[in-house]
Amino acid sequence: DAGVIQSPRHEVTEMGQEVTLRCKPISGHNSLFWYRQTMMRGLELLIYFNNNVPIDDSGMPEDRFSAKMPNASFSTLKIQPSEPRDSAVYFCASGFREYEQYFGPGTRLTVT
Amino acid sequence: SQQGEEDPQALSIQEGENATMNCSYKTSINNLQWYRQNSGRGLVHLILIRSNEREKHSGRLRVTLDTSKKSSSLLITASRAADTASYFCATDADNNDMRFGAGTRLTVKP
Repeated sequence: DAGVIQSPRHEVTEMGQEVTLRCKPISGHNSLFWYRQTMMRGLELLIYFNNNVPIDDSGMPEDRFSAKMPNASFSTLKIQPSEPRDSAVYFCASGFREYEQYFGPGTRLTVT
Repeated sequence: SQQGEEDPQALSIQEGENATMNCSYKTSINNLQWYRQNSGRGLVHLILIRSNEREKHSGRLRVTLDTSKKSSSLLITASRAADTASYFCATDADNNDMRFGAGTRLTVKP
């Protein structure tokens, strides 16, 4: 298995633009998680899905952030409009709810 | 907000020495997990310990859990330069929320 795949690996965009981050979980996993990592706040859980259904999105910072999981093999995290304070590394992870999570390589987002 | 808090924030040791990192948390948990993150890379799962377990081993790793003190420790024995990384604890609680600490930055000098 190739592991969790995220794209793009790096994204540089201007403030106000829409950003879409993509994630392909490991086949067979029933849970998918989106995290954000910054120096100031560390690693934060944004949202997680179980069987493609969003279970807890309380970590999503504000309405500019949205996440979807249209099927078991794909998820997106969208920021619209983006702001400089959204600059961070965004990780996607998949697994089974009660067990360990497998993390993707992350997307480094820079908003100028 | 973060649940787990690792201690120390940074640790520097010589190759061959043991490294001990601690994690404290605030609420009741189902399990606690330790992850490693090499610079610029994603997190790698190391070990999971359930709330009814007190100790677990995996290779050179030993994890303990004290639910009465709401704390866990990760011991890496006979450290190697390749163990240089940041180590995070993550707690899984009944509210279905996974929380990570700020991490311990371990440097193992050859």
